[in-house]
Amino acid sequence: DARVTQTPRHKVTEMGQEVTMRCQPILGHNTVFWYRQTMMQGLELLAYFRNRAPLDDSGMPKDRFSAEMPDATLATLKIQPSEPRDSAVYFCASGRDRAPPLHFGNGTRLTVT
Amino acid sequence: AQSVAQPEDQVNVAEGNPLTVKCTYSVSGNPYLFWYVQYPNRGLQFLLKYITGDNLVKGSYGFEAEFNKSQTSFHLKKPSALVSDSALYFCAVRDNTDKLIFGTGTRLQVFP
Repeated sequence: DARVTQTPRHKVTEMGQEVTMRCQPILGHNTVFWYRQTMMQGLELLAYFRNRAPLDDSGMPKDRFSAEMPDATLATLKIQPSEPRDSAVYFCASGRDRAPPLHFGNGTRLTVT
Repeated sequence: AQSVAQPEDQVNVAEGNPLTVKCTYSVSGNPYLFWYVQYPNRGLQFLLKYITGDNLVKGSYGFEAEFNKSQTSFHLKKPSALVSDSALYFCAVRDNTDKLIFGTGTRLQVFP
């Protein structure tokens, strides 16, 4: 079974440190999404790429978050500097344009102390 | 704007009984609707989708969902619940830019 792979699975860091989360989408998929899940806010869409181009990052705090796709096999989400309120589970999902469904990775659980 | 609502935070059902997890939607145009399930410490897993066609959609693990246009609902159902069905269930709608907009989730507890 093809899977979306996210690393690391868990990350604990101190406030102010840079955090980088990585995602390997399923081969052949051309859309990539980053979601954040918290108890209070549920699932929030942070960023969306199609064919490696960012289409929508309106859900992302621009001053500290950045999302990129250096190539078709890697998507990254960076937080610099991190804050305790960034503690959440971050999910990457990939799919094919106009052909649902999305396939989700198992997430990165981030704890910022 | 597209949205979905899941009115129940939690649904409790006894094993062997039928289960329903409710979802209503608000869309402009034709709705593309989805159900996902999330087990602890895992990502979301696709269960089923409605794009067009039959109003009763069958999915994974014996789940099905009924699309009702007049009631703008897409309730998830299963004739006989299993303890292993206990998880968090999300309804979602796809907007016209391919983004999935999720509901707040419903926790299903199936008791032995």
